[in-house]
Amino acid sequence: SAVISQKPSRDICQRGTSLTIQCQVDSQVTMMFWYRQQPGQSLTLIATANQGSEATYESGFVIDKFPISRPNLTFSTLTVSNMSPEDSSIYLCSVYAPPGQETQYFGPGTRLLVL
Amino acid sequence: GNSVTQMEGPVTLSEEAFLTINCTYTATGYPSLFWYVQYPGEGLQLLLKATKADDKGSNKGFEATYRKETTSFHLEKGSVQVSDSAVYFCALSDRMYSGGGADGLTFGKGTHLIIQP
Repeated sequence: SAVISQKPSRDICQRGTSLTIQCQVDSQVTMMFWYRQQPGQSLTLIATANQGSEATYESGFVIDKFPISRPNLTFSTLTVSNMSPEDSSIYLCSVYAPPGQETQYFGPGTRLLVL
Repeated sequence: GNSVTQMEGPVTLSEEAFLTINCTYTATGYPSLFWYVQYPGEGLQLLLKATKADDKGSNKGFEATYRKETTSFHLEKGSVQVSDSAVYFCALSDRMYSGGGADGLTFGKGTHLIIQP
């Protein structure tokens, strides 16, 4: 398994502002994933972040809205830009552990409320 | 594309009742199947998994069997407790598919389980 931490754990933001969410893993991993869980809904993959390359975004998600950084093998950030109330969600990062296997482990999530 | 369908909730049961949460899937190749659980106010935790047909995953009294012929992975528990109240997500990964699977997980919509004392 893997130990994953996220900061902040929750935040309340005003529309039009941006929030950067941090994800830290206790081991080196090539791929990190960012998911969104809207209220009462399932998880939807936003993007895959590989160290040393541009993130790969899923359909419906764009880099201008959700820029991602991956500066090293244990850390990633997701920014939610120009927020609106529709961005109110839980944002989760995840990794495969051990790398190369099929089981994903998730961080505790960041609960975002946009007013 | 891949998809996961699970029974809608909420599902309300009395303590010690038998639990079944249905999950069926559509996937290319031969996916791995998972049940994740999200307790109130907590993050997503892996409950159990199965990586090939006829495998049975089990944990904390929960079981699910990978049924390729019916493309199902139903979650069962013989006697539920109040502490089992949570949201349960069925998910699949075809990452290990040699024909080229996706890297992310595909989730069902989740089933909210409420156990009453």
